[in-house]
Amino acid sequence: KAGVTQTPRYLIKTRGQQVTLSCSPISGHRSVSWYQQTPGQGLQFLFEYFSETQRNKGNFPGRFSGRQFSNSRSEMNVSTLELGDSALYLCASSPRDRVDEQYFGPGTRLTVT
Amino acid sequence: AQKITQTQPGMFVQEKEAVTLDCTYDTSDPSYGLFWYKQPSSGEMIFLIYQGSYDQQNATEGRYSLNFQKARKSANLVISASQLGDSAMYFCAMNRQYAGNQFYFGTGTSLTVIP
Repeated sequence: KAGVTQTPRYLIKTRGQQVTLSCSPISGHRSVSWYQQTPGQGLQFLFEYFSETQRNKGNFPGRFSGRQFSNSRSEMNVSTLELGDSALYLCASSPRDRVDEQYFGPGTRLTVT
Repeated sequence: AQKITQTQPGMFVQEKEAVTLDCTYDTSDPSYGLFWYKQPSSGEMIFLIYQGSYDQQNATEGRYSLNFQKARKSANLVISASQLGDSAMYFCAMNRQYAGNQFYFGTGTSLTVIP
């Protein structure tokens, strides 16, 4: 079974631009979560989608948004990029309401200049 | 609120020796899950082991075991027979069992295995 895939793997953007990251979960997984990892703040939860609905949301500004499609693929968007948005963005998928399984993708490394 | 604390920023272990990575947690939820992940320099988070709050026995997965002490709110990871490939960052994490898949992570421990 294929793992979680994230595209693109690396991205360089300019301050003020917007960016869209994509995540394809493991086949059959309906829950997709997003995390931001930075050296200063560590791993922080952004949001979780389940069956196309946002189920949980972390403490991030409204510039960070996401959505999930009917095939469980998810996208996250960051508008008006700031230098502090430079981070590794990780996506994780889980089976239907299984709390003991969460598998991560390789991440998208975003650099904002 | 949920909180995970990892007090060891860096650890060294001799190859083939066992090592314990510390993790304490704080939650008022009665049902929760505890996880350990390994993150090599490539960045991908690799699932190692899971312990449910109501599990009576400590979880084991190959060379990994989780020393779960509920009263002390600790969930230490024990790696037996360390290998060079075990050198990586290790993160302890928890979620609330009936609140979706929102994970709370510790700050991580960098493990270096010395040949």
